Amino acid sequence: SQTIHQWPATLVQPVGSPLSLECTVEGTSNPNLYWYRQAAGRGLQLLFYSVGIGQISSEVPQNLSASRPQDRQFILSSKKLLLSDSGFYLCAWSRTITDTQYFGPGTRLTVL
Amino acid sequence: AQSVSQHNHHVILSEAASLELGCNYSYGGTVNLFWYVQYPGQHLQLLLKYFSGDPLVKGIKGFEAEFIKSKFSFNLRKPSVQWSGTAEYFCAAPSCSARQLTFGSGTQLTVLP
Repeated sequence: SQTIHQWPATLVQPVGSPLSLECTVEGTSNPNLYWYRQAAGRGLQLLFYSVGIGQISSEVPQNLSASRPQDRQFILSSKKLLLSDSGFYLCAWSRTITDTQYFGPGTRLTVL
Repeated sequence: AQSVSQHNHHVILSEAASLELGCNYSYGGTVNLFWYVQYPGQHLQLLLKYFSGDPLVKGIKGFEAEFIKSKFSFNLRKPSVQWSGTAEYFCAAPSCSARQLTFGSGTQLTVLP
């Protein structure tokens, strides 16, 4: 069966510091991968998605970037965090773009 | 662009009450519709989905949803809610480009014992 991992589960970082959140998927190949930010009362905002290694699409301009160095690895990064980057970040995968998405446990990021 | 509207941001019900959560989408080009649920402290997970066929779809835990094409709606229903149903519920539909899903803003359901 397929599983999706995210780490760390929680992270507290100072403003201006770098960020690296990792997501890995097991039990499937060539998944579509997604990074979302979830804010209370605002639902899920899609940040990035990837249909293959090295292929990244960005949905909103922001201080964050994403990379997919391996088929089942998706990384969310920032060179310098802002206060507004605080939030709950979810990684997800699906077999096709419009198919069911399976979500990871999420990372709670607090920028101080 | 696709937009998904969930008009009820917070719903409070007593146990055994019936539930209906509204979901409307704006673009019907590719009709794959989803309801996801996030229980406190748990992963976001699929509740049910509609791709084609019978417009009344049944999901886990006694939930069902009805796809009404003419109304661009996909409302979630359950005849009798339990306290354990307290969770946040999200509706989702494909974007106009069909390259990703667009999620609604979510409905927080609180079930009182």
